[in-house]
Amino acid sequence: GNSVTQMEGPVTLSEEAFLTINCTYTATGYPSLFWYVQYPGEGLQLLLKATKADDKGSNKGFEATYRKETTSFHLEKGSVQVSDSAVYFCALSLGAGGTSYGKLTFGQGTILTVHP
Amino acid sequence: DSGVTQTPKHLITATGQRVTLRCSPRSGDLSVYWYQQSLDQGLQFLIQYYNGEERAKGNILERFSAQQFPDLHSELNLSSLELGDSALYFCASSVSPGPNQPQHFGDGTRLSIL
Repeated sequence: GNSVTQMEGPVTLSEEAFLTINCTYTATGYPSLFWYVQYPGEGLQLLLKATKADDKGSNKGFEATYRKETTSFHLEKGSVQVSDSAVYFCALSLGAGGTSYGKLTFGQGTILTVHP
Repeated sequence: DSGVTQTPKHLITATGQRVTLRCSPRSGDLSVYWYQQSLDQGLQFLIQYYNGEERAKGNILERFSAQQFPDLHSELNLSSLELGDSALYFCASSVSPGPNQPQHFGDGTRLSIL
C-alpha cells in the first residue's frame, strides 16, 4: 500500500539553525507530494507541494525537492525562527483510479521546537 | 483563516451516544474530505465527497457515516461511540478532487468520549 515515513521527533533547535526533516514514501504510481504544518490549536496549513520528479516546492524559506530515485521529499530551511515551532506533516496524494484519488496519506508528523 | 468552518469545536459525550460534526467548505470548493487525528493512529483519511457524491472511502468504521448536502456543507455522523473514537476530526476542502489540488483544512472538532 501507500505510505509516508517521517524522521522521528521531536526536533529541538536554536534560532537560526539549519533544519532538515526527512520524509520518504512508498506509492503505487506517481504521487504528488506535500508538506503541511500544524500550529497549536489549529488545522493543517499547506506549506509547499511538488507534483513531479525533480520539482522543488518552496514557501516561507522552506524547500523540498521531489526525488523519485530515492522516493524522498525532505524538508529544509536555512535559518529557523521561534515562530516555526509546530508539527510538520509530509503527505502524498495519488491520481485517478481505485479508491485513492485525491486523498492525502500522511506521515506521523514531526514536532519542531525552536528556542531563542 | 482557511475559509473552512467546522462546528462544534469541542464535543464531550458518553459511550454509546451519537454525534454529528458539521463542515462548511471554503467558498467555491466542491470537494470535502474528512480525516481523523489520534495519538495512536495519526492522521487517517475517512471519506471524500465531491459535489454531493461519495468519491473515496478510507478506513471509516461502519458506525460512521457522512453526507454532503446540496449547499455543499458536509456532516459526519458517529454512532455507538466508543472510548477509542476520542480524536480530533478534521474537514478539508478543495476546488475539485485530484492529486494536485491543495486541500484547505478547518480547525477541527475535538471529540472526547467519557
